[in-house]
Amino acid sequence: DAGVTQSPTHLIKTRGQQVTLRCSPKSGHDTVSWYQQALGQGPQFIFQYYEEEERQRGNFPDRFSGHQFPNYSSELNVNALLLGDSALYLCASQTGAGAMNTEAFFGQGTRLTVV
Amino acid sequence: AQTVTQSQPEMSVQEAETVTLSCTYDTSESDYYLFWYKQPPSRQMILVIRQEAYKQQNATENRFSVNFQKAAKSFSLKISDSQLGDAAMYFCAYRSAHGGATNKLIFGTGTLLAVQP
Repeated sequence: DAGVTQSPTHLIKTRGQQVTLRCSPKSGHDTVSWYQQALGQGPQFIFQYYEEEERQRGNFPDRFSGHQFPNYSSELNVNALLLGDSALYLCASQTGAGAMNTEAFFGQGTRLTVV
Repeated sequence: AQTVTQSQPEMSVQEAETVTLSCTYDTSESDYYLFWYKQPPSRQMILVIRQEAYKQQNATENRFSVNFQKAAKSFSLKISDSQLGDAAMYFCAYRSAHGGATNKLIFGTGTLLAVQP
């Protein structure tokens, strides 16, 4: 079992550009959540995808958007990058968006640096 | 809104000794889950231990145990017989158990644990 895989591992972008991050969930998982972890901080919830729809969103602007594919993999897109978007982006997968008693498994994250 | 607070930015422990990491949280909900996650330099968040709020018994996983005080909204992690591999950032996290809510995690700011040989 490959677990949750994210790509790329590192990325450098210029302010104003757009970026796409990718996540493949753990085998058997159908729900993907994205988190932003700024340096020295805990992860902050961005949004969650289940059945190819965004189920809930954290306090992030519309520049942050996502997508889930029929195979449950997901993308996180960020438009008009700001210096403050520099962070580690973590993907977590689990089974069932509404199920409470499930464990979230995390990937190793994508380190995004905006210059 | 729920919040999680970790007041110890850094902690240090000697190998084979015991260390306790503190966490407090604020919520108006009665049903929820609490977690401790470990994040080593590899960056992957690893679940250490989990506590259901309706359970009075404190959770234990090998060398890791918690002291869950629901009334005080306190959830500390005790690591016994510390090992060099325990060195990492530790995050306390909260998740609602209310039906209809997403199972998003709310994290604290973390405690960096150093283990001295």
